[in-house]
Order: sequence, then C-alpha cells, then structure tokens
Amino acid sequence: AQTVTQSQPEMSVQEAETVTLSCTYDTSENNYYLFWYKQPPSRQMILVIRQEAYKQQNATENRFSVNFQKAAKSFSLKISDSQLGDTAMYFCAFMKPERGGGADGLTFGKGTHLIIQP
Amino acid sequence: GAVVSQHPSWVICKSGTSVKIECRSLDFQATTMFWYRQFPKQSLMLMATSNEGSKATYEQGVEKDKFLINHASLTLSTLTVTSAHPEDSSFYICSARDPRVRFFSGNTIYFGEGSWLTVV
Repeated sequence: AQTVTQSQPEMSVQEAETVTLSCTYDTSENNYYLFWYKQPPSRQMILVIRQEAYKQQNATENRFSVNFQKAAKSFSLKISDSQLGDTAMYFCAFMKPERGGGADGLTFGKGTHLIIQP
Repeated sequence: GAVVSQHPSWVICKSGTSVKIECRSLDFQATTMFWYRQFPKQSLMLMATSNEGSKATYEQGVEKDKFLINHASLTLSTLTVTSAHPEDSSFYICSARDPRVRFFSGNTIYFGEGSWLTVV
C-alpha cells in the first residue's frame, strides 16, 4: 500500500513571497503519478500540478513548480509570488499507473493549510 | 471541459434513516468513479471504486453494507448511506476519469463539488 506524508499542517507567508510545501511518499511501484491539489473553503478539489514518475523533468505550471526527487520519494510544491487567492488546503496525492485500462483511486496526504497574509 | 456533478450539496437526515448521494459525469461516460470521505480538517480517504455494471470495490475498513454503491449507468454512480448515525456525518466527494483522454496527455480526473451529510 502507498502512503503519502505531509509534515506541515499549516504554513503562513506574506503575499508575494515564495513558499515550499513538502510531501514524501512510500511505494514499491516504479511508475506512478503524483499530484498537488488545492482545496479552497468551497471544498472543490482543484488540480494544481501533476508529475509522471518516469519523467525526470520537474513539472511547472505558471507560478507553481515541483521538486521531484524519485530516489528520495519526495515531491515538494513551490509557489512563487504567492497571492491571497492561494490561501487554501493543499493536498499531495499518489496514484498507481493504470493496468488493463482500469483506473485507481488517489491516496492523499493529510494536507497543509497555507495562509497568505496581506 | 468535463464536469462531474454531485447532488445534493447538503443533506440532513435523522439517525436510522438512509440517504442517497448522486454523482454524475455530465459530458463523458465514466466506467469508473471513486468515492471519498473527508472528515473536518482532515484528508480525503478513498472509500470505494464504483464500476459500471459490476460490484463496487471497497477499501479496507469500509463497511459495504452501510455504504451501498450503485453504478447503474455510464454517467451515474450513487452512494447510499444506510441506517445513518451521527458518526457518518462527513463530507463525501466523488471523482471520475474521462476515458476519452489518454492519461499522460493531460488532466483527466474530475471531482464533484462534494456533499455534506449531517446525521441528527
């Protein structure tokens, strides 16, 4: 079974600063997918960024980037130029690769509550 | 884009009664849907995988007789909480993958808006 660990229950930074959220995971799989999801107070799950384990290049999406260290099983999220709208819960998630056309559910970490201060 | 919709958004039921939550894929056919439960200020826990036309696959520790899942069509999965008790109060979220899109070509996992269940 996979496990995902987020060791920072809450973080607070000033607007425009850069913040890094940590995530580690444990799996015996060689190929898999990793995700960061944002959950604002509305509770809607919003995909921030995703990474395929077989890709060495770190994924980036505008102000969001990841530092994927496969050997260390680490997948941190960096948010640059943080904005007030970035305030939310952030969940790191793991998914096994699909086999035979089927799909697996996501394993989530416990989340980090990120607060952007004005 | 693809959308997954849940209904109702909020439901209050009396202890001992049953309540049904629907999850619909609005513009794609989902052979597989997933149900998650989220306790206040906690993470999402996968409860079960809903497979169209077959029995759901439940995660360890989830009571299949309490949380009945039916995936009768390619666009609808339902979660029925039977004989609900206050400890079943939680936020329930479904998700589905759009099979038309090859997974590594982009985001294909869509979440519903979630359903708050309060059992009194």
